[in-house]
Amino acid sequence: DQQVKQNSPSLSVQEGRISILNCDYTNSMFDYFLWYKKYPAEGPTFLISISSIKDKNEDGRFTVFLNKSAKHLSLHIVPSQPGDSAVYFCAASRWDDKIIFGKGTRLHILP
Amino acid sequence: NAGVMQNPRHLVRRRGQEARLRCSPMKGHSHVYWYRQLPEEGLKFMVYLQKENIIDESGMPKERFSAEFPKEGPSILRIQQVVRGDSAAYFCASTPMEGTGSEKLFFGSGTQLSVL
Repeated sequence: DQQVKQNSPSLSVQEGRISILNCDYTNSMFDYFLWYKKYPAEGPTFLISISSIKDKNEDGRFTVFLNKSAKHLSLHIVPSQPGDSAVYFCAASRWDDKIIFGKGTRLHILP
Repeated sequence: NAGVMQNPRHLVRRRGQEARLRCSPMKGHSHVYWYRQLPEEGLKFMVYLQKENIIDESGMPKERFSAEFPKEGPSILRIQQVVRGDSAAYFCASTPMEGTGSEKLFFGSGTQLSVL
């Protein structure tokens, strides 16, 4: 039973445009959501997070939106840059529990 | 300012052998998680440990897998009698305190286990 779902295995976006990565979750008890970025042959690195009491969190070019009623969150990257090409993992947790990851979306930024 | 250190980076084993994966958390971190990434899959939680204590091992296969985090030294993930299906990338992550759900994980670069 996959509690965190990333339905798009890959996404291609033109450099300079907006990248939108989507994530759905099934467990309404999740109250903290994170995005991680992973380059080949490296471990995932933390990118941005949001708690369930908020619906938006912004950090530079990265913004995460949370829609609790739809159990959906998204990561917006604008403008997209070549160095953003990576695998992005959506993750979620309950306050006192382990972090659950989705399968990831591979983002390709096209020149 | 060393991050989470995992070794070896690559480990090749024949079926039936034992695999030992090591993880040294970031300085000041006392909690360690192990995750496994199978080909074309996401990161699957395996086990969560603090020094000398297993907090949550709900993601560990019941047989052949074990983990420890001794008072001194790195955390060890041990896989006995490896099979081809164990081939995966194994990632260790650490946090400075007991998981509250809001603590982000700091990951190592992983150990790629290949079983021949």
